[in-house]
Amino acid sequence: DTGVSQDPRHKITKRGQNVTFRCDPISEHNRLYWYRQTLGQGPEFLTYFQNEAQLEKSRLLSDRFSAERPKGSFSTLEIQRTEQGDSAMYLCASSTRASRDTGELFFGEGSRLTVL
Amino acid sequence: AQSVSQHNHHVILSEAASLELGCNYSYGGTVNLFWYVQYPGQHLQLLLKYFSGDPLVKGIKGFEAEFIKSKFSFNLRKPSVQWSDTAEYFCAVNADDKIIFGKGTRLHILP
Repeated sequence: DTGVSQDPRHKITKRGQNVTFRCDPISEHNRLYWYRQTLGQGPEFLTYFQNEAQLEKSRLLSDRFSAERPKGSFSTLEIQRTEQGDSAMYLCASSTRASRDTGELFFGEGSRLTVL
Repeated sequence: AQSVSQHNHHVILSEAASLELGCNYSYGGTVNLFWYVQYPGQHLQLLLKYFSGDPLVKGIKGFEAEFIKSKFSFNLRKPSVQWSDTAEYFCAVNADDKIIFGKGTRLHILP
C-alpha cells in the first residue's frame, strides 16, 4: 500500500498519560499536515511541515502538543498530559510540491484517541 | 480569518433525487476550492477542485461544483444521486497554504 499510513489506529489512555502518533506520508510527498477531527466537525488544522521544517502551528496546538518530522519523511505527534478534551481523530495528510499549489491532500485513515 | 460555512449538516434524499450542497467561504485572496468526501469507514478523499479557469468543475462519480466569486460560494451538485453516495462531504479552501475545512454535510441516500 503506497498511501498515507498512521499508527496506531486507535489509542485508549488515561487522563494525564502521554501518547504519540506516527504518520508515514506518501514517499515522494514533501508536505505533511496534521488535523484533528471531532464528532460533527470538519478537520481542524493543527500544523504542517515542508520537508523537516515546521512552517505553521495552529493556536489549537497547546504547549502539550508537539510535532516533529526529523528527516523529512515520517512525522510524530505527541500529546503530553492528555485531557479528556483531547479525545478526537487525529488525521495526517501529505501532498507533493506540485499539488501544494492546488492543495490536494492525501489523507491517512486517522488515529482515534480516547482519553478516559 | 479564513472560514468555510456549509449550509446543511444532514441531508436525506431518495435515490435519483437531485443534490445541491451549499458552501460559502471567507477569504480575501486567490482561492483554491475543494470538495472532499468521506465514505463510511474510509479516509477523506478529493471529490473535485477549483484552481482557476472554468468556474464549473467536474469531479468523480458525476459530481460537479460551481465557483461563484461574487457570492463567495462553491456549491456541490449531482443531478441524480445513488445509494452509494451516502457519505460525509466537506467543502474546503486553500488559504495561505493551509486547507481549511467546513463542518461537513452528512448525506444519507434512501434506497
